[in-house]
Amino acid sequence: QVQLQESGPGLVQPSQTLSLTCTVSGGSISSGSYYWSWIRQPAGLGLEWIGRIHTSGDTNYNPSLKSRVTISIDTSKSQFSLKLSSVSAADTAVYYCARDQGSSGRWFGPWGQGTLVTVSS
Amino acid sequence: DIVMTQSPESLGVSLGERATINCKSSQSVLYSSNNKNYLAWYQQKPGQPPKLLIYWASTRESGVPDRFSGSGSGTDFTLTISSLQAEDVAVYYCQQYYTTQLFTFGPGTKVDIK
Repeated sequence: QVQLQESGPGLVQPSQTLSLTCTVSGGSISSGSYYWSWIRQPAGLGLEWIGRIHTSGDTNYNPSLKSRVTISIDTSKSQFSLKLSSVSAADTAVYYCARDQGSSGRWFGPWGQGTLVTVSS
Repeated sequence: DIVMTQSPESLGVSLGERATINCKSSQSVLYSSNNKNYLAWYQQKPGQPPKLLIYWASTRESGVPDRFSGSGSGTDFTLTISSLQAEDVAVYYCQQYYTTQLFTFGPGTKVDIK
């Protein structure tokens, strides 16, 4: 079945850009109407959806983060990526990548295991 | 924005007893055109990503035990665990997917063994 795995630096300096990649295996990143999302979770807190992308290039972003977020996709590598600029300590969180069903239903599954990103100097 | 709230914040239930978690949305997530509620439930155990349990408010994901059930419509929803097992200790989240502009989650309900 489809599996997702996040990768990227675990430590980012304040005001810099956080960059993460999600690698999709066990299935095609281009199949169906699937969208590919980033979701984050600060320690001990709830889930915040960051944004998503389709292989067509269509994107949706959380309005509260939109000015700082870029999500891109590379179908040749079966990867999609997150860039979050001008980070602060408030961006410290576990970052998950996940798939949603697109037009068939926008619930999330499967999810990657998550990667902790700490913003600190 | 559609704001999701959940109650209670935490819940202690004896093994084999029923657990009931409530989720409320600030506006209806029922699409009248297809009569579907755009709501999902997830289970998250410590150190793990969330796991999808239920979508369309009441459809169990493949492989999810039938002791988990979802109900409700419009703005008020319930996740029920009919007979709590030790492996059900987790935090449970609801999520609305009514609008593609902003998917939002509830704050979570922690379920423990009493």
